[in-house]
Amino acid sequence: QVQLQESGPGLVKPSETLSLTCTVSGGSVTNSYWSWIRQPPGKGLEWLGYIYYGGDTKYNPSLKSRVTMSVDTSKNLFSLKLTSVTAADTAVYYCAKIDVWGSFWDYWGQGTLVTVSS
Amino acid sequence: QSALTQPRSVSGSPGQTVTISCTGTSSDVGRYDYVSWYQQHPGKAPKLVIYEVIKRPSGVPDRFSGSKSGITASLTIAGLQAEDEADYYCCSYAGSFPYVFGTGTKVAVL
Repeated sequence: QVQLQESGPGLVKPSETLSLTCTVSGGSVTNSYWSWIRQPPGKGLEWLGYIYYGGDTKYNPSLKSRVTMSVDTSKNLFSLKLTSVTAADTAVYYCAKIDVWGSFWDYWGQGTLVTVSS
Repeated sequence: QSALTQPRSVSGSPGQTVTISCTGTSSDVGRYDYVSWYQQHPGKAPKLVIYEVIKRPSGVPDRFSGSKSGITASLTIAGLQAEDEADYYCCSYAGSFPYVFGTGTKVAVL
């Protein structure tokens, strides 16, 4: 049973960089594609992107060049960096595992709230 | 890529059947049989209840079923129970984008 756990600062100042990690247990980060998905308070879900340990990445075009994802196989985790944040980036951020066929997310982390405020 | 359209809310009494629609376009729902549905209780992470339009993950009650016709997918909950009260989101693979979520539907059990 794969388990995912997000971690990172809960408060980020405007214009700074949001950094989160997702630690994978019960499985290897090299075996799947991984995603970040966020949910602003009271709003719907937004896919941010995915990554594979071999370097395959795809990001939501709406984030333009602000998002970067990476994998650390030595620590069995993957990461999210979002630069130049504004209040609109305030959300619960989820990490999730994509199924082998790439069509849905079968395991999710519990989510972590990141607030952008000075 | 625009969000898939879902009704804001649906409701039903215990034991009744409710259906949630998810309308997309010919580039997402209409093109791929890769529609999934997620149940989200307040303060919790989404949980997969249907994938690839009609398939149900292990452990999900068979009261939950999915279907698709053209550009509209649907989630049906039969024999509604109190614990089914939650938000539900559809999601479709969309090729080059590649994932688009629905706007979300709140299911209320009266």
